[in-house]
Amino acid sequence: ETGVTQTPRHLVMGMTNKKSLKCEQHLGHNAMYWYKQSAKKPLELMFVYSLEERVENNSVPSRFSPECPNSSHLFLHLHTLQPEDSALYLCASSQDSGGNYGYTFGSGTRLTVV
Amino acid sequence: AQSVAQPEDQVNVAEGNPLTVKCTYSVSGNPYLFWYVQYPNRGLQFLLKYITGDNLVKGSYGFEAEFNKSQTSFHLKKPSALVSDSALYFCAVRDRTGGFKTIFGAGTRLFVKA
Repeated sequence: ETGVTQTPRHLVMGMTNKKSLKCEQHLGHNAMYWYKQSAKKPLELMFVYSLEERVENNSVPSRFSPECPNSSHLFLHLHTLQPEDSALYLCASSQDSGGNYGYTFGSGTRLTVV
Repeated sequence: AQSVAQPEDQVNVAEGNPLTVKCTYSVSGNPYLFWYVQYPNRGLQFLLKYITGDNLVKGSYGFEAEFNKSQTSFHLKKPSALVSDSALYFCAVRDRTGGFKTIFGAGTRLFVKA
């Protein structure tokens, strides 16, 4: 375990379902991130939270909705997804707001939209 | 705009031989530079970073990287490869001038043959 825990590890959902991804860190880090990893593509930054405030929304469709209730938890709420949204969703945290010293990543949630 | 290029999709090397995984970058100012490694079904793990100082940076598992400002490169190296080094390697860059984005390359798959 890296200190960043993501649940579930795998998720299969239909296009009309609503589900949520959960991320938890107890490293005392100030910032948390959602990234999307698709095969043979660079990691795509989705959202950044710094001190529980959303500071970056990288043109992500509204069918993805983040929530950061406190500095240790981050959620990604999913609804009416498309098959092309199937990917590995990675949560990360950083000590400083910006990641100057690197990120700690979770193991990811493998999402399949059917 | 920031960008990262990893020109090789795959690198093959025999165990015991030196390895190099290439990375070039583009930022408007001075960069923070990172290497991460990803093993199957896992998130990314931090290997090393360049912030300032010595151009040769040493990291985890015997890896090192050389920052070359004139060539805007940050190649990852190891003097003697192990089969267990086989994984997906990501280069990442962050602009010092601010913002919350760390940009990742598309990744290079390293195969080390026994």
